[in-house]
Amino acid sequence: AQKITQTQPGMFVQEKEAVTLDCTYDTSDPSYGLFWYKQPSSGEMIFLIYQGSYDQQNATEGRYSLNFQKARKSANLVISASQLGDSAMYFCAMRDDTGGFKTIFGAGTRLFVKA
Amino acid sequence: GAVVSQHPSRVICKSGTSVKIECRSLDFQATTMFWYRQFPKQSLMLMATSNEGSKATYEQGVEKDKFLINHASLTLSTLTVTSAHPEDSSFYICSARDLAGTDLYEQYFGPGTRLTVT
Repeated sequence: AQKITQTQPGMFVQEKEAVTLDCTYDTSDPSYGLFWYKQPSSGEMIFLIYQGSYDQQNATEGRYSLNFQKARKSANLVISASQLGDSAMYFCAMRDDTGGFKTIFGAGTRLFVKA
Repeated sequence: GAVVSQHPSRVICKSGTSVKIECRSLDFQATTMFWYRQFPKQSLMLMATSNEGSKATYEQGVEKDKFLINHASLTLSTLTVTSAHPEDSSFYICSARDLAGTDLYEQYFGPGTRLTVT
């Protein structure tokens, strides 16, 4: 069975600093996708970044980068130059690419950016 | 980018009544739509996978007779919470996959529906 684990319920970061949000996963499928989503208080799910299981390079999207360590089954999100608007809930998610393409989510990490 | 809408955004209903939530893909066709449920300060839990023209596939522990899902067209899926009870109060989010999408992350989320059962 697939599983996503986020062990940091809450994280604080100083504005303009970088922060790493941890995510580990477990799956026996060779093909899968890893995602990070941001959920502000409004509730909408905002896509941040994607990493495919066969991608050789770590994904980057602006201030977001995904530190993909396949052997360790980790997919940590790095946010550089944090901004006050980055304060939100962050979810790591994994999609099963061999079956019904279901996406499951980790428990989430609430990020607080301090001025 | 692709847009998924949900209606209503908020609904309050009395215990024992049924409420329908619509999920629409506005500018693309979706063969598959997913329904999630999110309790306050918790993660999204997948309830069911809805495929156009066929029966929904429910996750373990989700009552299919209580949460009726209909995916009648490539742009519309509905979730009906039947005989709602206060414990059904939650944030319901749908997502849709783009039939013709070439993006690797072609799953798009709706804005969610907050259901309160009194």
